[in-house]
Amino acid sequence: GQNIDQPTEMTATEGAIVQINCTYQTSGFNGLFWYQQHAGEAPTFLSYNVLDGLEEKGRFSSFLSRSKGYSYLLLKELQMKDSASYLCAVRSSGGYQKVTFGTGTKLQVIP
Amino acid sequence: DVKVTQSSRYLVKRTGEKVFLECVQDMDHENMFWYRQDPGLGLRLIYFSYDVKMKEKGDIPEGYSVSREKKERFSLILESASTNQTSMYLCASRPGSQPQHFGDGTRLSIL
Repeated sequence: GQNIDQPTEMTATEGAIVQINCTYQTSGFNGLFWYQQHAGEAPTFLSYNVLDGLEEKGRFSSFLSRSKGYSYLLLKELQMKDSASYLCAVRSSGGYQKVTFGTGTKLQVIP
Repeated sequence: DVKVTQSSRYLVKRTGEKVFLECVQDMDHENMFWYRQDPGLGLRLIYFSYDVKMKEKGDIPEGYSVSREKKERFSLILESASTNQTSMYLCASRPGSQPQHFGDGTRLSIL
């Protein structure tokens, strides 16, 4: 099975940097996704890591350490519109490549 | 752009009714998924399908069934709706091992 942990809530200041952590335990790992979900809307894909290291995409970066079962999403130059929930999701290496989601981290950006 | 369309944004039904939630995607994706999302529990997989007429149980299939008669359409069926099935239902699709694309969700209330 899979177990994914991420903080429930975080608060950060506009213009600052925030790091959202995700730890996971899985019987077979085949990639980790980060999604952003604004209140009342569908999740949208942000980033994907399958190898160790940092993936950078504009203001957002995601890091993976497979040996530690650990990932983080780094948001730079925070904007008010970044207030949302951030979902960590792990894909298994089984035949159907099932994706399991964490419960999400609700980020509030304050002025 | 990928489009995943769910038939209703809001739906109110009564206990014991048979409820159909429809999902259509326009990108010829093999894989389609139904999740429910509840506060504090995150996204939980109900059923998924990796091909026409194929279906697999997710983590919480009890009380639900699905139908995939055509590649573009994946229906979730609540055989006899109960109040504990009040939730946000999200449909997703993906090609192969790519990230999932989500519909806007259906907020279902069972009275």
